[in-house]
Amino acid sequence: GAVVSQHPSWVICKSGTSVKIECRSLDFQATTMFWYRQFPKQSLMLMATSNEGSKATYEQGVEKDKFLINHASLTLSTLTVTSAHPEDSSFYICSARSPQGWYEQYFGPGTRLTVT
Amino acid sequence: RKEVEQDPGPFNVPEGATVAFNCTYSNSASQSFFWYRQDCRKEPKLLMSVYSSGNEDGRFTAQLNRASQYISLLIRDSKLSDSATYLCVVGVNLIFGKGTKLSVKP
Repeated sequence: GAVVSQHPSWVICKSGTSVKIECRSLDFQATTMFWYRQFPKQSLMLMATSNEGSKATYEQGVEKDKFLINHASLTLSTLTVTSAHPEDSSFYICSARSPQGWYEQYFGPGTRLTVT
Repeated sequence: RKEVEQDPGPFNVPEGATVAFNCTYSNSASQSFFWYRQDCRKEPKLLMSVYSSGNEDGRFTAQLNRASQYISLLIRDSKLSDSATYLCVVGVNLIFGKGTKLSVKP
């Protein structure tokens, strides 16, 4: 299957700092990538849809100025959590849609963010 | 009605048991359906797509009932390694259910 990588796998930062998370599709080109957040014992929540070369589409309730998304190439999307606060601590997962098949999405391994 | 609903479980079954999960969805226009598996503190992994005619992959069988708007996943001869949370996913933009937790015991 398609491979999606994510970096870093975990990060601890201080309140007020910004953190950038990278998502790469390694063996296919992804015009569309997705960013999710998952709090403990809860389901995945879609934050935004990232389209190569255009602005991301954010879900209701997600602050676009706080969660900056850049999809500069067909294999890379980045999520920057700006001025992070402890309530932003979560598991952030990206996914990329396969160009073939039934719109399956393949997920990166996730980034565990802890804001102290 | 929530967009995608699943019984959260947990389902505790012995090795070798057959277990079935159901999932209901609200958008009758949905065309794409999937089952994903998520292990604790890991990313979801695609288990199988669900086709209109139903499909089988080894011990796993998925079925779609459009009239009643539900999909199902059947696991036969369950293994310890099947222990995970099974996520029902609907639609092109992937609406996730909250998942059903399965624990297979020796």
